[in-house]
Amino acid sequence: GAGVSQSPSNKVTEKGKDVELRCDPISGHTALYWYRQSLGQGLEFLIYFQGNSAPDKSGLPSDRFSAERTGGSVSTLTIQRTQQEDSAVYLCASSPRTSGQETQYFGPGTRLLVL
Amino acid sequence: AQSVTQPDIHITVSEGASLELRCNYSYGATPYLFWYVQSPGQGLQLLLKYFSGDTLVQGIKGFEAEFKRSQSSFNLRKPSVHWSDAAEYFCAVARNTGTASKLTFGTGTRLQVTL
Repeated sequence: GAGVSQSPSNKVTEKGKDVELRCDPISGHTALYWYRQSLGQGLEFLIYFQGNSAPDKSGLPSDRFSAERTGGSVSTLTIQRTQQEDSAVYLCASSPRTSGQETQYFGPGTRLLVL
Repeated sequence: AQSVTQPDIHITVSEGASLELRCNYSYGATPYLFWYVQSPGQGLQLLLKYFSGDTLVQGIKGFEAEFKRSQSSFNLRKPSVHWSDAAEYFCAVARNTGTASKLTFGTGTRLQVTL
């Protein structure tokens, strides 16, 4: 079946602009996660959704970052007033249920470059 | 909070040689442990995971890992490396709870395979 998909695959933007990154999880997966992968910080957790609610937003680096999930499916990560330090690969993952033993399946990522 | 240490940033092995990638974790109880692989331009693929039971776990592509509580380690091994194994390998830990939780990743080990 189809895996996790993310769009766009690449995004170049100017400092100060807003960007939206989209994640389509595997159909039927309840849990959805956003991570960020950057040279300086490695792989970092951003936020996690259980259904449409976000029990854990602890990784969002600032109030410029927000995410939503509608219909228990697609999620959008929004970065407002982008800064150069936001340049990174943003990875989305989903898992079938919300048990801690579930495997997280990752998408290919969105590579964001802020000029 | 949990943490993961991968002490080797870069490892080079010859094709056909054995491989061991080190991973040490810090967590108050027995965590859930994972190894993921990332090929260039690709998302993360799960190699294997440990939750409980037999401390030697088998994964895909001929990989295995052994959980050693006394050493807080979860090292990844492969008896004979193939050129296609060249990639970056990430060890990760999740809280041992009944509900889904974020993954905390190590900084990764880049594997180079020489022919």
